[in-house]
Amino acid sequence: NAGVTQTPKFQVLKTGQSMTLQCAQDMNHEYMSWYRQDPGMGLRLIHYSVGAGITDQGEVPNGYNVSRSTTEDFPLRLLSAAPSQTSVYFCASSYSTSGKEQYFGPGTRLTVT
Amino acid sequence: AQSVAQPEDQVNVAEGNPLTVKCTYSVSGNPYLFWYVQYPNRGLQFLLKYITGDNLVKGSYGFEAEFNKSQTSFHLKKPSALVSDSALYFCAVRDTTGFQKLVFGTGTRLLVSP
Repeated sequence: NAGVTQTPKFQVLKTGQSMTLQCAQDMNHEYMSWYRQDPGMGLRLIHYSVGAGITDQGEVPNGYNVSRSTTEDFPLRLLSAAPSQTSVYFCASSYSTSGKEQYFGPGTRLTVT
Repeated sequence: AQSVAQPEDQVNVAEGNPLTVKCTYSVSGNPYLFWYVQYPNRGLQFLLKYITGDNLVKGSYGFEAEFNKSQTSFHLKKPSALVSDSALYFCAVRDTTGFQKLVFGTGTRLLVSP
């Protein structure tokens, strides 16, 4: 069981470039989420999905798109990178049953110059 | 809206001493509360949770947390700290509206000195 995997681990982008952060889980979890972690701000939810084909916005969705074509994969797309998107990004997954804990990937450290 | 507060940015404790990392919450309805730990350059790892039942919850690595409804607190504790416990600790509460998103505190850095 690989759990939640994320690629790449590190990425440097120039302002205006686009890229996709990959996330996959092999636990057959219905729920998947993307968070960003910034110093002194904890983790903030970007987008989430409750199942294949269903996504919704979290608290900081601007500048990001997601899709969920399979249960396993939940990629996060940056459409036109901005320095404000410099952050560490975490993908998480969980069962849909109420109260279940979320499992986190190792993170992607993104720098936008 | 649900929220959690971690009033201390950093907690320092000597190895072998008991440790407490504080968390208070604000929710409507019954709270689902979680503690996660983050080691350097790693993702978050689940430590323990309170859903219902006993107010003292036991979790991984010898940690426990005490749920106190009257004080709206969910403090993380360990009887004897280890240097290897040094990490960033996050308290979180589950949003009760629809999707089970977690609302995180800002984190508390625990430093255990030898």
